[in-house]
Amino acid sequence: QVHLVQSGAEVKKPGASVKVSCKASGYIFTGYYIHWVRQAPGQGLEWIGRINPNNGATNYAQNLQARVTVTRDTSVSTVYMELSRLRPADTAVYYCARVGLGGAFGDFWGQGTLVTVSS
Amino acid sequence: QAGLAQPPSVSKGLRQTATLTCTGNSNNVGNQGAAWLQQHQGHPPRLLFYMNNNRPSGISERFSASRSGNTASLTITGLQPEDEADYYCSAWDSSLSARVFGGGTKLTVL
Repeated sequence: QVHLVQSGAEVKKPGASVKVSCKASGYIFTGYYIHWVRQAPGQGLEWIGRINPNNGATNYAQNLQARVTVTRDTSVSTVYMELSRLRPADTAVYYCARVGLGGAFGDFWGQGTLVTVSS
Repeated sequence: QAGLAQPPSVSKGLRQTATLTCTGNSNNVGNQGAAWLQQHQGHPPRLLFYMNNNRPSGISERFSASRSGNTASLTITGLQPEDEADYYCSAWDSSLSARVFGGGTKLTVL
């Protein structure tokens, strides 16, 4: 069965960077897009970006484009999301989500990774 | 980044019917298809529908979805206590080359 397992919680200082991983299993890794979505405390869902694991092509949210990088390592079926120049407003739970057959956005989700940015 | 419009909250009684709406434009909901997600507090979202009205396996038939023009709708019949959750719509925006979300609707079952 499909699983997306994310790395553990992180605490970072303002100005630092964080790299969150999302390890996929149970399906052909290169066959399905992976998206990253975040949710600040008490707030709604915010799209960060996506990657095509087959060729590494990416798209990013305009407001995060200068600070976010999504990559993948096909040898370990893992997608990474790195966010730089962190600020307290980046404190959120970060999720990875798969797009399934027929454009099924979010058919499987990671468990979420809490990133806390605080001095 | 422009998002989709959802009412912040809807309240309905037990066993009643709730209809949630999501309004976008011709670059997203109107031609790319909407997805609906359910999220209970402290849990990741769960996919209810994709591409307007495609239901993944395991989703109750009490849930249905449709689209008319630039507005997508999610209808839940026979409301149960476990339906109390936040509901988000989402769509790919072809002009932004980005995914957009609605702000979410908090459904309260009285």
